[in-house]
Amino acid sequence: AQSVTQLGSHVSVSEGALVLLRCNYSSSVPPYLFWYVQYPNQGLQLLLKYTTGATLVKGINGFEAEFKKSETSFHLTKPSAHMSDAAEYFCAVTTGGGNKLTFGTGTQLKVEL
Amino acid sequence: AAGVIQSPRHLIKEKRETATLKCYPIPRHDTVYWYQQGPGQDPQFLISFYEKMQSDKGSIPDRFSAQQFSDYHSELNMSSLELGDSALYFCASSPPSRDRDQETQYFGPGTRLLVL
Repeated sequence: AQSVTQLGSHVSVSEGALVLLRCNYSSSVPPYLFWYVQYPNQGLQLLLKYTTGATLVKGINGFEAEFKKSETSFHLTKPSAHMSDAAEYFCAVTTGGGNKLTFGTGTQLKVEL
Repeated sequence: AAGVIQSPRHLIKEKRETATLKCYPIPRHDTVYWYQQGPGQDPQFLISFYEKMQSDKGSIPDRFSAQQFSDYHSELNMSSLELGDSALYFCASSPPSRDRDQETQYFGPGTRLLVL
């Protein structure tokens, strides 16, 4: 079984401030972890992923995430928020290729001037 | 780069009607997944296909059926539509198991279904 918990359904930051979106997972086997972004009325775009290897992964648009097995976490960060980052962000987990993704409930990021 | 294609993008149906959603995976991808995202909800897994065979089944109503064809495209058939079926339906595809990227699912833009 696998699950994802995203703390904070809404996060608000000022433009230029640090973005931190939290994700904790539960998995009975080594997980593969993903962050997807969804802009209003659009599909899910892959931001970044952790499969194996380096635990700090970099994605598109300046985002990065660190896999911490001891904390069962995969938090998403960006050093400096931009207005265009306003969207909903989903953390997701799977146990391997061909297996379903289980999503967290999402975090709506608001970026203020 | 080619992406997952879904059609139609928008669909309006009456209660008790049927609907067919189509998904064309990224070329070479052999696994297709369907997800349903209700308003303000996270995507929920419905069903998946690998090499034209059903590989996993989630919370898909019995009124829904799906299949994957020889060209790897997939169709989700929905009958006796209910108001609660109004949602965004995503298709995703993933590469063959021999690929480094096999665990990654790439999503289409979705089909927004409204049942009146």
